[in-house]
Amino acid sequence: ETGVTQTPRHLVMGMTNKKSLKCEQHLGHNAMYWYKQSAKKPLELMFVYNFKEQTENNSVPSRFSPECPNSSHLFLHLHTLQPEDSALYLCASSQGEGGVYNEQFFGPGTRLTVL
Amino acid sequence: AQKVTQAQTEISVVEKEDVTLDCVYETRDTTYYLFWYKQPPSGELVFLIRRNSFDEQNEISGRYSWNFQKSTSSFNFTITASQVVDSAVYFCALSEMNRDDKIIFGKGTRLHILP
Repeated sequence: ETGVTQTPRHLVMGMTNKKSLKCEQHLGHNAMYWYKQSAKKPLELMFVYNFKEQTENNSVPSRFSPECPNSSHLFLHLHTLQPEDSALYLCASSQGEGGVYNEQFFGPGTRLTVL
Repeated sequence: AQKVTQAQTEISVVEKEDVTLDCVYETRDTTYYLFWYKQPPSGELVFLIRRNSFDEQNEISGRYSWNFQKSTSSFNFTITASQVVDSAVYFCALSEMNRDDKIIFGKGTRLHILP
């Protein structure tokens, strides 16, 4: 596979469930990102990882827990979510030392619905 | 305060017409980056352009052109001879150099190109 892939593409979960979103990049990049895109808000940066180290947590609630085991994989662990967390979750990656001022390559997103 | 404003929520034009998408930004930094991304119906954002604050030259890439005006804090995007495949949501974004790993997106402009 090429580019940035995300699984699953769609997820429906209850508020008491625990699930994980997966992102994988095949571009040899060093930085990876999670974004949230909801219907009524601008695209929001959630987390940034550079060389597997988290460099940004944009005031995200603790019910979202990221994990970056290596520079190619990024997870977003979800637990006790709220209906307002329903959104499209996008993963992205970039080259170099990271930093959002680099060109980012995005995955297709996971459409999450919390019931 | 909203840092990136895309005042046009939705635009519809007939194919082959030219269309300009507006972006106004707000920053106190002297060094920053501006971006345009395209989000087609498939979901993943596609990078179009990055411009740093010291380079005010306008840029043309095929049917796409960008007009960067620091005096008015604007970074407008024009599509010439629009095509149906240009239908998408277009996002303008700002990254300030002294705000490592922060990027702020506008709310996006949904562009419909009618056949």
